[in-house]
Amino acid sequence: GDSVTQMEGPVTLSEEAFLTINCTYTATGYPSLFWYVQYPGEGLQLLLKATKADDKGSNKGFEATYRKETTSFHLEKGSVQVSDSAVYFCALSDKKGGSEKLVFGKGTKLTVNP
Amino acid sequence: EPEVTQTPSHQVTQMGQEVILRCVPISNHLYFYWYRQILGQKVEFLVSFYNNEISEKSEIFDDQFSVERPDGSNFTLKIRSTKLEDSAMYFCASKSLAGGSYNEQFFGPGTRLTVL
Repeated sequence: GDSVTQMEGPVTLSEEAFLTINCTYTATGYPSLFWYVQYPGEGLQLLLKATKADDKGSNKGFEATYRKETTSFHLEKGSVQVSDSAVYFCALSDKKGGSEKLVFGKGTKLTVNP
Repeated sequence: EPEVTQTPSHQVTQMGQEVILRCVPISNHLYFYWYRQILGQKVEFLVSFYNNEISEKSEIFDDQFSVERPDGSNFTLKIRSTKLEDSAMYFCASKSLAGGSYNEQFFGPGTRLTVL
């Protein structure tokens, strides 16, 4: 079945450092791809999405490009802030069963130090 | 801003006991989901629910699990006889059926279930 593999954490960076969290997927068909973020004590929030190959999703300075040739959707940010500390989940949308369920990676915990 | 809420935030139970996890989805949403995350593992889909019936379920969602929308606002997940391996964080999510290429699933903060 469809699956998502993302970079193991935790990741610790200093403020203003460059962030990359790798994500690759395996899927039949053409899924939509997402990054969700979970701040401490809160639910999963959609950070950005891309629905077809070569689309770039972006939000709050984060970006990810849907690369069909490498089946990847890596998350990047040029300059992280302390407030970006959270757990980041890569996911794809599996439409085969009709309900468009999400298939997630394990999550990567990011800590940004001042 | 509307949000999905879940209660309780943490539930501790003895093996073999029944538990009910509760969710209040966003009021105009029509698709409802349960996911779970065992510590250190992936967030896994359990079940989706639409029009008062299950629309899709995973292999995890066996006869010990059931879902219900008893009163038009709550959406519950029941585990009839809990096992140690049911210990996990359970997330509820909902989405609307508004037009567009993709409708975002909105997640609650989760219920941590600990089975002793």
